[in-house]
Amino acid sequence: SAVISQKPSRDICQRGTSLTIQCQVDSQVTMMFWYRQQPGQSLTLIATANQGSEATYESGFVIDKFPISRPNLTFSTLTVSNMSPEDSSIYLCSVVGVEETQYFGPGTRLLVL
Amino acid sequence: AQSVTQLGSHVSVSEGALVLLRCNYSSSVPPYLFWYVQYPNQGLQLLLKYTTGATLVKGINGFEAEFKKSETSFHLTKPSAHMSDAAEYFCAVSHRGYNKLIFGAGTRLAVHP
Repeated sequence: SAVISQKPSRDICQRGTSLTIQCQVDSQVTMMFWYRQQPGQSLTLIATANQGSEATYESGFVIDKFPISRPNLTFSTLTVSNMSPEDSSIYLCSVVGVEETQYFGPGTRLLVL
Repeated sequence: AQSVTQLGSHVSVSEGALVLLRCNYSSSVPPYLFWYVQYPNQGLQLLLKYTTGATLVKGINGFEAEFKKSETSFHLTKPSAHMSDAAEYFCAVSHRGYNKLIFGAGTRLAVHP
């Protein structure tokens, strides 16, 4: 399976600011996703990060709030914009490997004050 | 549409006892089924998966799960619980060509001496 890293691992931010989370994979992958895990909750898919084109967002998530970049097949960023305390979550990226199995990064733990 | 139901948000067992975590799914097409584990302050780790073939699948750390189409179930078991098994467990469903994962709400497993 691919080795996935995320930066930062955790952060504490003030409301109204923005944070960009990086996801780096050690091999080229076609499919990459971003998930949110709110406190005590399961994972919810935010969007599919498409290489060379705009991300595909799930219902309830919009580009203005969660802009995503994917400049190549090994890297993607997710920005959480104009943050509020409700954005406090774990944000995880994932990639698809063989047999359409997803592998997850370690997550970024975000606390918004 | 696909969905996943995990019965029991919290399960507590004694060390050495059988672990049984329940997962039922809904899918209009042949499903791909996954169990992931999340240890405190970590990302998700793949435990095991079913895509095609043998319905009893073995995973890491002594866990196994059986795909039962007639019961639309994919329960996770381990014969003898260890203290290190204490974690959150997530069942997820996808299908061929879809890639997106639909997660259950998760089951928190506690193991006591």
